[in-house]
This record gives sequence, structure tokens and C-alpha cells, in this order.
Amino acid sequence: RKEVEQDPGPFNVPEGATVAFNCTYSNSASQSFFWYRQDCRKEPKLLMSVYSSGNEDGRFTAQLNRASQYISLLIRDSKLSDSATYLCVVTEVRGGKLIFGQGTELSVKP
Amino acid sequence: GAGVSQSPRYKVAKRGQDVALRCDPISGHVSLFWYQQALGQGPEFLTYFQNEAQLDKSGLPSDRFFAERPEGSVSTLKIQRTQQEDSAVYLCASSLGRQQETQYFGPGTRLLVL
Repeated sequence: RKEVEQDPGPFNVPEGATVAFNCTYSNSASQSFFWYRQDCRKEPKLLMSVYSSGNEDGRFTAQLNRASQYISLLIRDSKLSDSATYLCVVTEVRGGKLIFGQGTELSVKP
Repeated sequence: GAGVSQSPRYKVAKRGQDVALRCDPISGHVSLFWYQQALGQGPEFLTYFQNEAQLDKSGLPSDRFFAERPEGSVSTLKIQRTQQEDSAVYLCASSLGRQQETQYFGPGTRLLVL
């Protein structure tokens, strides 16, 4: 079983749709949680950190449920430019190695 | 300011050839990480440096893989006797360290072993 699991998709949605990605992690002692975005043939870039209290950045909302070991990302009013692969990431030590999920591919169509 | 840079950006190697991949981290970044990303997969951890010390090499897939960071800045990942299964994108990331968690990634080196 992989340490971080995601639905690989692809998710094909129309512009303006709301889309949700889910992720589970196996190590209950995991310390930090993130969503990264990776465009085709580019490097991963930090989208947002994820906290138990939930956090929002514009159209993006991330949630963490430590009891269920579950992380989510919600994108509202999706744009063409949101098309990318979204990577769920955890660390077991603050400042330590990143443990990535497989990534979920999103394609937003006009 | 300059981000993380990697060279070469693309490398084609014949099976059995040795290759060396270079990473220039952001100036002043203490922590440096190497990851391997196979097609359609998320990146997987290879090794970690704090300054010049290699603190974790648990992700290196075999003894053909070797990494160094002798002066605590530039790092080199060397793969000896390359095999087809080594074909992947090799990503380097750096961070300030001291529990500052954001890792900044370089553009990667795309390695194809024929």
C-alpha cells in the first residue's frame, strides 16, 4: 500500500465547475500536509499548506481530517488555467522529505 | 532572485553509460533534496543533504546511485552503469532548512536510457 493515495483521474470538467480531490495517507504520525500543482513537463510548485482547521486561498479550499487520515482540495469556479496535476504531499518530519501521492490530473474544458 | 537550476535539462544515455546530474540550489538554502519522478507517477524521494552532510539516502534505489554536496551548495547525482529503468525525471529541491518547510523545485533533468 502506498503511503499517500490519490485518485489518478483524469477529471474532465467544464469551466466554472466545482471539483474536489481526495487523498489518504497511511502514517498517523505524519506532521505536515500540502497540495502541490504540477503543469505538464514542469516542476511541482506549492499550491497550499493544509491545516486541521481548514484553509482557503481564493477559489481553493483545503481540509485535513487527522482522525480519518484524509486530505481534500476543493476548487470552485474552475478556470482553464487550473488544468494541471494536483499532488497530495505529506511529511513525517517537519522540514523533511516530501512524500507524494500519484497525482490527480485535472482538465478544465471551455 | 534566481531559483533552483539543474543541468543538463535533457540527457540521453546508452545502457551502461555513467551520467552526472547537477543541481544549483537557491543561495543560502541549507537543505537539498533529490527526487525521481517516473512517467505518470508522483516524485519519489532519493536523498537529502543538510549543508554538506548527507543525512538520508534511504531512497537511492541501488548502489549505482551516488550523490554528493561537498561544499554545501552545488550537488551532483551520479548514476553508474545506467539501466533502462533509470529513465525518469530527476528533480532537485532546496529549502532554508531549520524547519522551514517550503521546498523549491528545479526544472528537473529528463533522463532517457536507451
